[in-house]
Amino acid sequence: KAGVTQTPRYLIKTRGQQVTLSCSPISGHRSVSWYQQTPGQGLQFLFEYFSETQRNKGNFPGRFSGRQFSNSRSEMNVSTLELGDSALYLCASSLGRQGRRDTQYFGPGTRLTVL
Amino acid sequence: AQRVTQPEKLLSVFKGAPVELKCNYSYSGSPELFWYVQYSRQRLQLLLRHISRESIKGFTADLNKGETSFHLKKPFAQEEDSAMYYCALMGSSYKLIFGSGTRLLVRP
Repeated sequence: KAGVTQTPRYLIKTRGQQVTLSCSPISGHRSVSWYQQTPGQGLQFLFEYFSETQRNKGNFPGRFSGRQFSNSRSEMNVSTLELGDSALYLCASSLGRQGRRDTQYFGPGTRLTVL
Repeated sequence: AQRVTQPEKLLSVFKGAPVELKCNYSYSGSPELFWYVQYSRQRLQLLLRHISRESIKGFTADLNKGETSFHLKKPFAQEEDSAMYYCALMGSSYKLIFGSGTRLLVRP
């Protein structure tokens, strides 16, 4: 089975711009979660989508949003970029079964640099 | 509050020496604990989870609910074990809460 894929792998933006990141889960996985990884804060949960609905949300400002499509692919959008948004954004997919804590499998990440 | 603590940023051992990467957690319910590993220039990958009770690449981890710990152990370290190791907790939600990670360096 193909693993989780993320595009693009690298992005450079300037402050105030917006960005959209994409994630394709493992075939058959219906849950997609997003995480931000920075040297200072480590790995932090952004949000999780299941069957096109946001099921869980972390403590990030409203500038961070996401969505999921009917084929389980997910996008994450960050508006009005700030320097502090520079990070590696990781996507993870899982079966996401209700009431089950399924293993999450990670993509390679998108490295976002905000200048 | 849900929290995972990995007290060591860096652990350096010689090849063949035993390894123990510490992980303590704070969670009021029944957690699911994971160890993920990130080798140089590779993606984060699952090493093991406590419910499966498997031994992967010679690593084991036992959940100690009394001490709220999930330490990762290997009796004989190999150079290829050098990597970043993350302990993570999943509570009743579907999100992973990660520790800050421990870099394991295995010297020849």
